[in-house]
Amino acid sequence: GQQLNQSPQSMFIQEGEDVSMNCTSSSIFNTWLWYKQDPGEGPVLLIALYKAGELTSNGRLTAQFGITRKDSFLNISASIPSDVGIYFCAGSGSGTYKYIFGTGTRLKVLA
Amino acid sequence: SQTIHQWPATLVQPVGSPLSLECTVEGTSNPNLYWYRQAAGRGLQLLFYSVGIGQISSEVPQNLSASRPQDRQFILSSKKLLLSDSGFYLCAWSGGANTGELFFGEGSRLTVL
Repeated sequence: GQQLNQSPQSMFIQEGEDVSMNCTSSSIFNTWLWYKQDPGEGPVLLIALYKAGELTSNGRLTAQFGITRKDSFLNISASIPSDVGIYFCAGSGSGTYKYIFGTGTRLKVLA
Repeated sequence: SQTIHQWPATLVQPVGSPLSLECTVEGTSNPNLYWYRQAAGRGLQLLFYSVGIGQISSEVPQNLSASRPQDRQFILSSKKLLLSDSGFYLCAWSGGANTGELFFGEGSRLTVL
């Protein structure tokens, strides 16, 4: 099935560092969603974006809807051990009920 | 508030046996409902979605089927499981009207032996 390109695939960082990840699509999206998934659990919605250029924060997390509407970015500031997990982006275009997911970024935080 | 629940959480089934996973949503009406599958260490693949009772859209040809007998109930089924059906199955809902936030259930781990 169709998937978004998400990078990096995985990353190790030191506690306290900032993290950046992004998703790109060949199609224009009207909605971008960012999720965190812990092992054995369903993904939890972190941030939803609905307008090109929109910048939205949720605590230490900030996400942006790219101007071209074909990409989105997630930043985590001052990472802590509980930030460990897999982060997914998802997008949905006009006239569709479908959400397409990125391949995920596996984040590991070194204390 | 809205909640979504799916069961069973874990299932071990022999090849050739039937499957039924159930998902219900509470606190909303006429939701869009979705079934995704996640292979180990992989992303989420959309299997089916439904925008109303009895309306099912299939995304990939496979050994599975879905049904929506009630507004807030979504069922994933198979008549005869294959080894390749093993995975983590996730039900999700959104509030309808094209796009918006998508919320997931806890997931169901299926192992076919």
